[in-house]
Amino acid sequence: NAGVTQTPKFQVLKTGQSMTLQCAQDMNHEYMSWYRQDPGMGLRLIHYSVGAGITDQGEVPNGYNVSRSTTEDFPLRLLSAAPSQTSVYFCASSPRGLAGARYLTDTQYFGPGTRLTVL
Amino acid sequence: SQQGEEDPQALSIQEGENATMNCSYKTSINNLQWYRQNSGRGLVHLILIRSNEREKHSGRLRVTLDTSKKSSSLLITASRAADTASYFCATDAMNTGFQKLVFGTGTRLLVSP
Repeated sequence: NAGVTQTPKFQVLKTGQSMTLQCAQDMNHEYMSWYRQDPGMGLRLIHYSVGAGITDQGEVPNGYNVSRSTTEDFPLRLLSAAPSQTSVYFCASSPRGLAGARYLTDTQYFGPGTRLTVL
Repeated sequence: SQQGEEDPQALSIQEGENATMNCSYKTSINNLQWYRQNSGRGLVHLILIRSNEREKHSGRLRVTLDTSKKSSSLLITASRAADTASYFCATDAMNTGFQKLVFGTGTRLLVSP
């Protein structure tokens, strides 16, 4: 298993450009999420999905879109890049999604990250 | 929003010593997890402890959870230079519909040979 893969590893954008960060997992996990990590801020949740066709916002969703058309893929789109989006982005997947009437999180498996710089 | 807060922010010890990190959170949780991040890498899961558990062990790691104080601690015994990393706690809040994992700001551990 490759686990969670992310592409690209590094990216430099100009303000106003758009791009898509790719994330894929081959573990058949239901739950996938995107985080950004800034110095001194820890990880902050951007968007997450508890299954194909189901997405929701996290703590810092503005400026980002996601979709989940397949179990394996969960791309993150930057609509119009801004310098404030300079960060390291991590994708994660988890084997736990719907459990009865509640969605429970479990062990998260992280990708290696994408370091994004917006000039 | 709920967030785990780790304490201390940074910890420097010698090889062979024990390292203790603490995490406090604000609201009731389903579970609490600890992760390690080596510089420039993704996070690696260490241990998960559920709200009805008080202590859990994994190798040299010992995690405790006190739900009455809304706090957890991670103890690394007989530390090694390879334990140098940042350590994060993450909590999964109860009763919020969709359960979201929220990370703290981390403790940077430096283990010197």
